[in-house]
Amino acid sequence: EPEVTQTPSHQVTQMGQEVILRCVPISNHLYFYWYRQILGQKVEFLVSFYNNEISEKSEIFDDQFSVERPDGSNFTLKIRSTKLEDSAMYFCASSLYTDTQYFGPGTRLTVL
Amino acid sequence: ELKVEQNPLFLSMQEGKNYTIYCNYSTTSDRLYWYRQDPGKSLESLFVLLSNGAVKQEGRLMASLDTKARLSTLHITAAVHDLSATYFCAVDMGDDKIIFGKGTRLHILP
Repeated sequence: EPEVTQTPSHQVTQMGQEVILRCVPISNHLYFYWYRQILGQKVEFLVSFYNNEISEKSEIFDDQFSVERPDGSNFTLKIRSTKLEDSAMYFCASSLYTDTQYFGPGTRLTVL
Repeated sequence: ELKVEQNPLFLSMQEGKNYTIYCNYSTTSDRLYWYRQDPGKSLESLFVLLSNGAVKQEGRLMASLDTKARLSTLHITAAVHDLSATYFCAVDMGDDKIIFGKGTRLHILP
C-alpha cells in the first residue's frame, strides 16, 4: 500500500540554523500539507500546497518558513533560522483530492 | 476567532460501554475530519464528513455531522481496549486551512 514517507525521523539543530525537512507524498496525490505537533499537544496546520503553489497558510507559517516541490516527488519544508519554539513533531500529509489525508510518520525536530 | 472544541479531553471507560466524543466549531465549514493517533505515532484518518447530516461508520466507530449546529460526534459502540488512543477532530475553515481540536485521550479499561 502506498504511503507517505518523511526524512529524517529525528533532526537536532542549533538555534539559528536552517533545517530542511523532506517528505515523499503518495505518487498520484495532488494536495500536500505540513502540520506540526508540539509534544503531546494539539496538531497545528502550517501550510497547504496545490498545483505548485501555496493554497493556504497559517499564522505560524511566517517568513522563516518555506515549502517547495523541487522535483515532482519530494515536498520539503524549510525553516531558515530555527528558534527553540520550533521544536516539535512535523508531519507531512498528502491527498488525492481535498478529502482523506494520509500522514507520514513525522520528523521530530529538536532545536537546542 | 476560529475555534474547534472537543469534549471531553480525557475519557476513561470500561470495555463494552458506549460513549460519544463531541466536536464543536465556530464558523461554517463544509468538511470535517476525524483522526486517531496512537502514542508516539502519526495520525490515521478515520472519517471525512462532507455534508450536513453525513453519517459514516467503520467498525465500532460512527461519526456524524450537523453543519447547522456546527457539531460533529464520534460515537463508540461496545468499546474494546484496542480503541484506546487520542482522537482529533479537524475542521476545514476554507481554502484547505484546517484547524484541529485539542484531542480526546481515550483510555479503555479491560
